[in-house]
Amino acid sequence: DAGVTQSPTHLIKTRGQQVTLRCSPKSGHDTVSWYQQALGQGPQFIFQYYEEEERQRGNFPDRFSGHQFPNYSSELNVNALLLGDSALYLCASSLEVGSINYGYTFGSGTRLTVV
Amino acid sequence: AQTVTQSQPEMSVQEAETVTLSCTYDTSESNYYLFWYKQPPSRQMILVIRQEAYKQQNATENRFSVNFQKAAKSFSLKISDSQLGDTAMYFCAFMKHTNAGKSTFGDGTTLTVKP
Repeated sequence: DAGVTQSPTHLIKTRGQQVTLRCSPKSGHDTVSWYQQALGQGPQFIFQYYEEEERQRGNFPDRFSGHQFPNYSSELNVNALLLGDSALYLCASSLEVGSINYGYTFGSGTRLTVV
Repeated sequence: AQTVTQSQPEMSVQEAETVTLSCTYDTSESNYYLFWYKQPPSRQMILVIRQEAYKQQNATENRFSVNFQKAAKSFSLKISDSQLGDTAMYFCAFMKHTNAGKSTFGDGTTLTVKP
C-alpha cells in the first residue's frame, strides 16, 4: 500500500520564479492538505483540497495556490518566490469516515530553497 | 484561534528509560482531536497517537501513552522503554472536530535517546 508520495524531494529556485510541487495521496485517501515547515518550527497549514476544491485555507498569500485532480493527487504552486518561502513543504492525505478524522499520513516533503 | 505550546525544545533520555513530553493547548472548542507526530531526520511525519477529546480514557499505542487533562488543556506523551529509534522531533497537534483537516502544530520537542 503506497504511502504519500511527493516530488521533487529537493528544489532550488531563484527569487521571483514560480514553482510547482506535486503530491500523490495514500491509496484510499481523498483529502490532501499542504503544510509549510520552516527550519526548527512546526508545520503551518497552507490549504486543503477535497473533491477537487479548496476547502480550507490558512494565513498564506494568494501567491500560494493549488489544485486537486480527479485521481486525488494535488499540486502546490507558489508564484513570485521570496527568500522567506524557503522551507520544507509537506503534503498530508487523510480520509474522513463520517465525521471522524483518523489523522494524517504525511509524505517526506519537498525541500525548497530560494536563492 | 487555537494555539499549541510545547515548552521543552530539547530532551534526552537513556535507552530503556521513560520520558514524558509536554504539550498544552488553548481552545474554546469542546470537541476536538489531539495528536502526537514523530519526525525523524528522514523528514517524514509519522502519527504516533491520537486522542478524541470526548473520550476520558487516555489513548495508548504499545510503548506510547498520553495523559489527557481536558480541563487543564494538557496533553503529554509518555514513551516507555525508550529505544534508539525513538530519537526524533515530536510534534503535538490540535484539530477541531468540526473543521476536520486543518491541524495546528506546536514547534516541537527534539528527543534524543542515548545508549
